Amino acid sequence: EAGVAQSPRYKIIEKRQSVAFWCNPISGHATLYWYQQILGQGPKLLIQFQNNGVVDDSQLPKDRFSAERLKGVDSTLKIQPAKLEDSAVYLCASSPRRQAASADTQYFGPGTRLTVL
Amino acid sequence: AQSVTQLDSQVPVFEEAPVELRCNYSSSVSVYLFWYVQYPNQGLQLLLKYLSGSTLVKGINGFEAEFNKSQTSFHLRKPSVHISDTAEYFCAVTGHSKQGAQKLVFGQGTRLTINP
Repeated sequence: EAGVAQSPRYKIIEKRQSVAFWCNPISGHATLYWYQQILGQGPKLLIQFQNNGVVDDSQLPKDRFSAERLKGVDSTLKIQPAKLEDSAVYLCASSPRRQAASADTQYFGPGTRLTVL
Repeated sequence: AQSVTQLDSQVPVFEEAPVELRCNYSSSVSVYLFWYVQYPNQGLQLLLKYLSGSTLVKGINGFEAEFNKSQTSFHLRKPSVHISDTAEYFCAVTGHSKQGAQKLVFGQGTRLTINP
């Protein structure tokens, strides 16, 4: 079974530029998550999709971050314009939709390391 | 809301020694608890999770954790570590929910370094 795929693996941009990250979840997984992991910290949930609908985006800085999951499969996270404090690893995860969703195991991709100069 | 505190940011141990990584959580509702491991330049991988039942949970790679409700703890243990266990370990908590949301809250991580 193929895992969660993410691209690119690394990205270096200057502040005020825009950037986009792509994620392809495990086939058949209905739920998709985007996390931000700042160096030395645990991952922080940015947004959660159930199929192609947003379940939780309460911690997404909506003035500069946007995400979409067209057709309920792969997803794109965009930052426009980027700030220095956006330097982090952006992790995508997916999980199967079960009745007790909060007990699900999340499967993580390798992440995209973003450096903003 | 839930929160997680991992009491040690770094834990160095010698190979074949036992190890305990400490995790305390705070929540006003019943919780599910998880331990994830992150190897260098990789995503997170589930080690084990506590949902209900026996408070001693066994996971992959010889790890186990014990849920202690009175002390609000979920410490991770391994009786004998290997060089390959060198990684970052994250404790995470989520409240029970029958809806579509699983809002995992992660601790800040504990870096486990195994010395030969």
